[in-house]
Amino acid sequence: SQTIHQWPATLVQPVGSPLSLECTVEGTSNPNLYWYRQAAGRGLQLLFYSVGIGQISSEVPQNLSASRPQDRQFILSSKKLLLSDSGFYLCAWSDIWTSGRVYNEQFFGPGTRLTVL
Amino acid sequence: DQQVKQNSPSLSVQEGRISILNCDYTNSMFDYFLWYKKYPAEGPTFLISISSIKDKNEDGRFTVFLNKSAKHLSLHIVPSQPGDSAVYFCAASNPSGTYKYIFGTGTRLKVLA
Repeated sequence: SQTIHQWPATLVQPVGSPLSLECTVEGTSNPNLYWYRQAAGRGLQLLFYSVGIGQISSEVPQNLSASRPQDRQFILSSKKLLLSDSGFYLCAWSDIWTSGRVYNEQFFGPGTRLTVL
Repeated sequence: DQQVKQNSPSLSVQEGRISILNCDYTNSMFDYFLWYKKYPAEGPTFLISISSIKDKNEDGRFTVFLNKSAKHLSLHIVPSQPGDSAVYFCAASNPSGTYKYIFGTGTRLKVLA
């Protein structure tokens, strides 16, 4: 069975410090990978998605970046955190699209609560 | 521009009664819709989905209805249970082939015992 891991679970960082959140998926190959953020009082905002190693698409301009150094590893980074980067960060995966497939459900990790002070 | 909207941020329902959560969308090209349930400090979990070729899908206590002409979908929970208390997100499939989903802002459901 497939599992998705995220760490750390919680993180408190000062403004201006760097960030690295890691997500790994087990039990599947070549998944689509996603980073979402849930800010206080807001829905799930898609930040980045990746359809393969080294392939990153950014959905919104921001202070964050993403990388996919390995097939099942997705990293969210920042060189200098802002107060507005606080939120609940979620990693998700889905199977790649194949011909004839109707949909691909996304499976979410447990999330990382980031507080920037 | 919010393409998927959940206009009710919260809903309270008595245990045993029906919960109805609503979702509206603006893009007529969306072809697949999902509902996710989220508990605090956890990732969302998939609940139920519906293709645009259908108008109803049922799974136990959960039923999703789709009205394409109105660009509206709803989730019915009958009977509601205290364990259903959570935030519910609707999501729509962006028909780009990459399976990006556009999520709504969520509705917090509280089922009162």
